[in-house]
Amino acid sequence: DADVTQTPRNRITKTGKRIMLECSQTKGHDRMYWYRQDPGLGLRLIYYSFDVKDINKGEISDGYSVSRQAQAKFSLSLESAIPNQTALYFCATRGTGTSGNNEQFFGPGTRLTVL
Amino acid sequence: KQEVTQIPAALSVPEGENLVLNCSFTDSAIYNLQWFRQDPGKGLTSLLLIQSSQREQTSGRLNASLDKSSGRSTLYIAASQPGDSATYLCAVKFDYKLSFGAGTTVTVRA
Repeated sequence: DADVTQTPRNRITKTGKRIMLECSQTKGHDRMYWYRQDPGLGLRLIYYSFDVKDINKGEISDGYSVSRQAQAKFSLSLESAIPNQTALYFCATRGTGTSGNNEQFFGPGTRLTVL
Repeated sequence: KQEVTQIPAALSVPEGENLVLNCSFTDSAIYNLQWFRQDPGKGLTSLLLIQSSQREQTSGRLNASLDKSSGRSTLYIAASQPGDSATYLCAVKFDYKLSFGAGTTVTVRA
């Protein structure tokens, strides 16, 4: 089974709709992240969480909100979707402590299209 | 703000040729640098992570170097194969966050 899973994998929605993207991980990591990827722009950080009670805005948080329901679950919501939120969304996790745990591990991504 | 640049944006080479991918960053105060591979429509797979105190890391045919003072990293892939065709992303850990380059898309021709 994959260590970081995302649902749904693909979603098409209409402008103004509320959308939730979900992420679950079995790696036991405390830190979780949401990114979006747009062609030619690389990945940009939306929100990150260092533990259940610690949630922080990233560089492009406007129009998004998150919920850390448990150590293993981190959800991203678009309260009122707009077409320029069409992108590939990635969830990632990272452990803490020794250098061997500093890698970020990514889920397979959710392709979101807002019409 | 950390800016990460990868040049070229795309690269096509014949099978067997060595690949050299470049990554540059503007602020040298990084914790580490990570190279990823992304296949079309797929997630990111971590290839190598170099801590700020290290100069290079190796894994099989892959070797990544880091020159923090000049803000550069290079990923070398020896004896390229068609299966190496993918987009390669570099990311620097800076201020508790990863800053990504836009990637280099590699095509290895059989």
